[in-house]
Formats: sequence, structure tokens, C-alpha cells
Amino acid sequence: GAVVSQHPSRVICKSGTSVKIECRSLDFQATTMFWYRQFPKQSLMLMATSNEGSKATYEQGVEKDKFLINHASLTLSTLTVTSAHPEDSSFYICSARIDGYTEAFFGQGTRLTVV
Amino acid sequence: GENVEQHPSTLSVQEGDSAVIKCTYSDSASNYFPWYKQELGKGPQLIIDIRSNVGEKKDQRIAVTLNKTAKHFSLHITETQPEDSAVYFCAASSRGFGNEKLTFGTGTRLTIIP
Repeated sequence: GAVVSQHPSRVICKSGTSVKIECRSLDFQATTMFWYRQFPKQSLMLMATSNEGSKATYEQGVEKDKFLINHASLTLSTLTVTSAHPEDSSFYICSARIDGYTEAFFGQGTRLTVV
Repeated sequence: GENVEQHPSTLSVQEGDSAVIKCTYSDSASNYFPWYKQELGKGPQLIIDIRSNVGEKKDQRIAVTLNKTAKHFSLHITETQPEDSAVYFCAASSRGFGNEKLTFGTGTRLTIIP
């Protein structure tokens, strides 16, 4: 299947700082990427849909000013957690869909710990 | 919006036996149903999927069935092996803001007992 690479896999940051997570589609173009958040032993919760060249679409209850999404190219979307707090600690996962196809492929996930 | 329920939340089976995980969905417009396997600390991996115009699909030891009338679909794993131990998620595709987005079930932790 198609490969989606997410970086970093783990990051620890101090409260009040910002953290950027990258999601790349390595062997295909992805007009649309998705960002999820997953708490321990829970399901994936969709945060936002990232659209190349336009603004992201956020799910209800997700703060767009806190979780900044940029999809500057057909192979890269970034999620920036701004002014991070301990409650933002979580597992963040991106997925990408090959244009014209329904299947979604997921990155390896990023474990964010805010101390 | 779409709501996906998944059962059971945990499942233990003896190696070599079969495992069945069931999901129901609410939106009759959903037409794509993938299953993902997630190992500890990793992202979900697509293992099989089915579309609404098909009732059953099989790939070696894994099969998925879909009942559109009842709005439920199931994952069947036969001849289970220790490496099948993981968390499995079902999902359903519904339209959101012009894009197909996935709604996930709550997950099933499958443990294969050697």
C-alpha cells in the first residue's frame, strides 16, 4: 500500500511552547489529509481535514487557533500545536488518501508529551 | 452524523481458532467500510475493506461481510496466530464538507492465546 510518513514519532515539550508535526505522502499525491487524536485505549477522533491550497476544515469542538494546520503541497501537511499544555498530551495520527481513491493510509503517529 | 458501534471491546481466542468482530453503523448513505489493525504505539494499518455494492470479501485468513439492510458488518479472522494480537478498528465512510471522512468504531483488543 501507499506510504505515509509522520515525523517526529515522539516529542516532549515544555508548557507554553509550540510543536510542529509533519505528515508526508511518500509515493503519491494527496490533496486531502486528515489529522486525528487518540487517547490511551480509545478510538481515533478526527480533528480536521487538511486541504491542499486552502484552509483546513475543523471538527466541532476543535480549536483552530490552537491546532494550526498547513497543507502547502500535495505531499505535506503540518499540524502545529500552539501554546501546548499538559492536557494536549496525546497520540496524534495523520492519514492521506490517494486522489480519486477512497482508501486512507495512516502515518506512524506522534506521541506528544507536554511537561 | 455517522455513528459506528463496535463489539466486543476485548476478545481472547485460542491460537488456531477464529475471531469475529462486529460493527453497526447509522448512516444509510455510508458506502465504504474499512478495517484497521493497530499495534501498540503505531498508526492504524488497513487490512481489508468492503464497499456497499459487495456482500463479502476475503483475503487469505481475513474476511469481511456486510449487511446493508441491517447496517452491520463483521471482520472474521480464521486460523488465528499470535501476531494477530492487536487492536482492531472498524470504520464507515460518510461525506463531510465535500470530503469522504471516516468514522471509527471504539476498537476491539484481540488477544491470541498460544
